[in-house]
Amino acid sequence: LAKTTQPISMDSYEGQEVNITCSHNNIATNDYITWYQQFPSQGPRFIIQGYKTKVTNEVASLFIPADRKSSTLSLPRVSLSDTAVYYCLVGSIYNQGGKLIFGQGTELSVKP
Amino acid sequence: EAGVAQSPRYKIIEKRQSVAFWCNPISGHATLYWYQQILGQGPKLLIQFQNNGVVDDSQLPKDRFSAERLKGVDSTLKIQPAKLEDSAVYLCASRPLGGEINQPQHFGDGTRLSIL
Repeated sequence: LAKTTQPISMDSYEGQEVNITCSHNNIATNDYITWYQQFPSQGPRFIIQGYKTKVTNEVASLFIPADRKSSTLSLPRVSLSDTAVYYCLVGSIYNQGGKLIFGQGTELSVKP
Repeated sequence: EAGVAQSPRYKIIEKRQSVAFWCNPISGHATLYWYQQILGQGPKLLIQFQNNGVVDDSQLPKDRFSAERLKGVDSTLKIQPAKLEDSAVYLCASRPLGGEINQPQHFGDGTRLSIL
């Protein structure tokens, strides 16, 4: 499972777009990139997942360049309620049982 | 659909005592995971079940931790005896088997364990 590196913390203001970049230099051909969000006193929650180029859902967008050695989670117009820890994970599509290895995550603080 | 249920939400015990946590996964999810999350860190996988069989318990401290999933549904995680370093949140997650590739894991809100 590829190791990921992401900033420990980020600050933003309400209404801004936030981009959190994750490095995964050793990503393998069969690996997907997945992002989870965790609020205090709650379990992690799946946000978005992708393999290449761009993926968008109702919550976020995920940008993956052609070399796939990094990815960027984009949160449009954040609000105070987006304050949370965001985890970037990489795992193989052939990984039996979908094993995940969490890093330290990025603690996003959104200010008014 | 109902989410992953865990109980209790909080538990305070003294070191060397025993404690057990319970998890009820989402209905139909064959794969169940237990994680330990120490304050300020990401969750660390302790054990993974597929139905009632253990798939991965390589990071479970087997001298004091045990887990079972007897009927392939609910699961319990036990610590006996507890140490101070076991203070953490214990998260349960479940995931369907098969179907769409890379199905996400669904987490419960965890049990916060404090060891005095």
